[in-house]
Amino acid sequence: QKEVEQDPGPLSVPEGAIVSLNCTYSNSAFQYFMWYRQYSRKGPELLMYTYSSGNKEDGRFTAQVDKSSKYISLFIRDSQPSDSATYLCAMSTLMIKAAGNKLTFGGGTRVLVKP
Amino acid sequence: NAGVTQTPKFQVLKTGQSMTLQCAQDMNHEYMSWYRQDPGMGLRLIHYSVGAGITDQGEVPNGYNVSRSTTEDFPLRLLSAAPSQTSVYFCASSKTGLVGNSPLHFGNGTRLTVT
Repeated sequence: QKEVEQDPGPLSVPEGAIVSLNCTYSNSAFQYFMWYRQYSRKGPELLMYTYSSGNKEDGRFTAQVDKSSKYISLFIRDSQPSDSATYLCAMSTLMIKAAGNKLTFGGGTRVLVKP
Repeated sequence: NAGVTQTPKFQVLKTGQSMTLQCAQDMNHEYMSWYRQDPGMGLRLIHYSVGAGITDQGEVPNGYNVSRSTTEDFPLRLLSAAPSQTSVYFCASSKTGLVGNSPLHFGNGTRLTVT
């Protein structure tokens, strides 16, 4: 079983709808949680970053972390065709500097926002 | 700023050939890493470096070598290419090796096919 599970999609929504994405994980030591967006044939880019449990909002994006359930979510409000991409969740334990910035990624969910 | 630059963008190798994937960053980042991305598998860490002269193995290091002689460059060497190494390779860097204050910046990848 993978350490981080993510539904591959595709998730198709009409423009203006709320996009809801989630990941589940098994390692209770994960403390840092991130969402990356990846356009076709491009590298991932960081969207949201949260530490431990709670919510974080940034414009149209809201990230939620529920450590008790080992479940994280990303919501995209007022979705636009330009939001069509693959969204990757990523996680990390508390690491000392010498051990490096190592992330464990989910497999990604492909999102299509139709005009 | 160019950010993280990877060359080549595409490469086809025959089984048994060797090659070097290049990665350079111009952000004076301490930490650099290599990931491979395969369908449904997410990104998996191959090797990483927390500074010039220091490298270590990630999750899937077999068949790959790295070195870090300068802060800017972190080449990945395939010693004897195998079809199982067909993948998209991403180089990523961050200011420090600490997850908490240092997001990863990715290049746009090298698409490698081994026949």
